[in-house]
Amino acid sequence: KQEVTQIPAALSVPEGENLVLNCSFTDSAIYNLQWFRQDPGKGLTSLLLIQSSQREQTSGRLNASLDKSSGRSTLYIAASQPGDSATYLCAVRRRDNDMRFGAGTRLTVKP
Amino acid sequence: SQTIHQWPATLVQPVGSPLSLECTVEGTSNPNLYWYRQAAGRGLQLLFYSVGIGQISSEVPQNLSASRPQDRQFILSSKKLLLSDSGFYLCAWRGASGTDTQYFGPGTRLTVL
Repeated sequence: KQEVTQIPAALSVPEGENLVLNCSFTDSAIYNLQWFRQDPGKGLTSLLLIQSSQREQTSGRLNASLDKSSGRSTLYIAASQPGDSATYLCAVRRRDNDMRFGAGTRLTVKP
Repeated sequence: SQTIHQWPATLVQPVGSPLSLECTVEGTSNPNLYWYRQAAGRGLQLLFYSVGIGQISSEVPQNLSASRPQDRQFILSSKKLLLSDSGFYLCAWRGASGTDTQYFGPGTRLTVL
């Protein structure tokens, strides 16, 4: 059974700091891994999708890496801003309709 | 561009009452559709998914059911709500390819009293 773990559960940083969020998964036989952002009381917004054959994806200040063999992904946020405050979720897709989510990392960026 | 709608946005229902949540997708055809529940302090739990009209797969046993009467419409129902049905319900869609991004709707906050 695929288990997805995100560490830390919560993180508070001052504005401008670079930070890394971690995601680990137990079954390396995945199709892809997706990072999402969730604001309080809102749905999930897709940030980055990494296919199983890829090592990383970048979008603006965000960079996500994937090491499938070790079951790890990281989301790097450069020059963090207060608007980045949200919960960040990673999810791995194993078989076609089997997407497993981590519990998320709640990020607070202080002005 | 594709858009996904959910309604209602919030709902407060008494125990034992029926439930109907609706999800519609615009700008795509033959999507895979999903219902998730997010309980307070817990991760997302997949409840149902559908790969086509009338095709529903259930991931967990419960008193909920789902239907897909049209290609881009997905409905979550219950005949009698339980307190444990409270949570944040999210609908999502994805293209038929296994490598496609999954997109989520704005969610419905259900409180059962």
